[in-house]
Amino acid sequence: DQQVKQNSPSLSVQEGRISILNCDYTNSMFDYFLWYKKYPAEGPTFLISISSIKDKNEDGRFTVFLNKSAKHLSLHIVPSQPGDSAVYFCAAESYRDDKIIFGKGTRLHILP
Amino acid sequence: DVKVTQSSRYLVKRTGEKVFLECVQDMDHENMFWYRQDPGLGLRLIYFSYDVKMKEKGDIPEGYSVSREKKERFSLILESASTNQTSMYLCASSRVGTGAYEQYFGPGTRLTVT
Repeated sequence: DQQVKQNSPSLSVQEGRISILNCDYTNSMFDYFLWYKKYPAEGPTFLISISSIKDKNEDGRFTVFLNKSAKHLSLHIVPSQPGDSAVYFCAAESYRDDKIIFGKGTRLHILP
Repeated sequence: DVKVTQSSRYLVKRTGEKVFLECVQDMDHENMFWYRQDPGLGLRLIYFSYDVKMKEKGDIPEGYSVSREKKERFSLILESASTNQTSMYLCASSRVGTGAYEQYFGPGTRLTVT
C-alpha cells in the first residue's frame, strides 16, 4: 500500500508560469516531508523540505505547502524555467527511523 | 562538497552472473541505502544499513544481498542476475538521528541483464 502518492505521472507548464506538483500521504505519523529533483542519468538531489509542524516553507522560487488535515502537500515553482524540467519525487520520513518513503514521481515538462 | 560515488555508470551482465555494485561516500554518514528506480514505480528501497556490518531489508530485498565492512562503503550483490533485475540502481547516504536529514544520492548504475 502506497504511503506517499503522486497521482500525476506528468505535467506540462509554460515557461514563466507557476508549476504545482501535488502529493498525498496516508501515514499521519510522518514528521518531515521532502522534495527531490532528478534529471535523467543522474541521482536525485534534495530540493526542499518541510516539518510537519509547519504549513509553508519557501526557498527562492520553490515553496512547499503542507495541509495536515488533508494529508496533502504541494510544491510550487514560480516562475518555471527550462532547467526545471525533471522528475520530482515527493518523500516523507518519521523520527522513528531514518528511512525515507518516496512517491512514484511526477515528470515536469517546461514548455518554451 | 558531499560526494557519493558508484563504481559503474553502465553495466551489462548475463543471466545467472553474480553482480557487485559498489558505493562509496565521503561524508562520514552512518546510514547507507540501495534503491532501484523503474518507470512508473519510483524509488524502491532494497536494503539499508545504519552502521558497519548492520543491515536491514527494505521493500524489495528478494534476489539481493548487501555488505558493509567499512563505514564509507556499501555493496549491493545480485547473487544470480535475472532479466527482471534490469534497472537503474541508486545508492544514497545520510546522517543518523532525528530530523529531516536528507539523503545524498550517487549518480546511479544502469544495469542491463541479458
